[in-house]
Amino acid sequence: DAGVTQSPTHLIKTRGQQVTLRCSPKSGHDTVSWYQQALGQGPQFIFQYYEEEERQRGNFPDRFSGHQFPNYSSELNVNALLLGDSALYLCASSQGRGYYTGELFFGEGSRLTVL
Amino acid sequence: GQQVMQIPQYQHVQEGEDFTTYCNSSTTLSNIQWYKQRPGGHPVFLIQLVKSGEVKKQKRLTFQFGEAKKNSSLHITATQTTDVGTYFCADNTYSGAGSYQLTFGKGTKLSVIP
Repeated sequence: DAGVTQSPTHLIKTRGQQVTLRCSPKSGHDTVSWYQQALGQGPQFIFQYYEEEERQRGNFPDRFSGHQFPNYSSELNVNALLLGDSALYLCASSQGRGYYTGELFFGEGSRLTVL
Repeated sequence: GQQVMQIPQYQHVQEGEDFTTYCNSSTTLSNIQWYKQRPGGHPVFLIQLVKSGEVKKQKRLTFQFGEAKKNSSLHITATQTTDVGTYFCADNTYSGAGSYQLTFGKGTKLSVIP
């Protein structure tokens, strides 16, 4: 049983560029949440997707957008990259019917470096 | 989600010593989750506490939820080098429109000296 898979694992971008990160949830899970984890910090909630809709959003600007596909996989897009966007981006899946956040299963993350 | 404060930020212990990390909130928490993140790894779920005064044990780990549901603690007895990592508490609070949001603390980084 595959867990949460994310791609790419590492990537380097320059300021102003755009990036797309991908996530496949754990089998049987229908809810995907994205988190940003800066070095030495706890994960910060970006948004959550269920039934292909954004259900919850954290305190992140509109440059951060996402999508969920019918197979429950998800993408995180970040436009107009800033140096401060450098972080580990974590995808987490759960089976919470989109509302109750139960136990989260995290992927290994995508390490984004913005130069 | 609510702001949860974790203390200490760092803890260095000799192998075999005990370790405790605390999670505090100024408001009542619905329930709280604990995660462990090994160096270079991703957070892994440890436990969820729901009831006031709840105590749960997992081998050498003991988790407590305060009576007022405003604080929680994780205690590790006789630490081992495998306990190294950052321990996060996360507030799982109803945030409106039928949804819950998980808000993580900044974590306590545990180092174990062999």
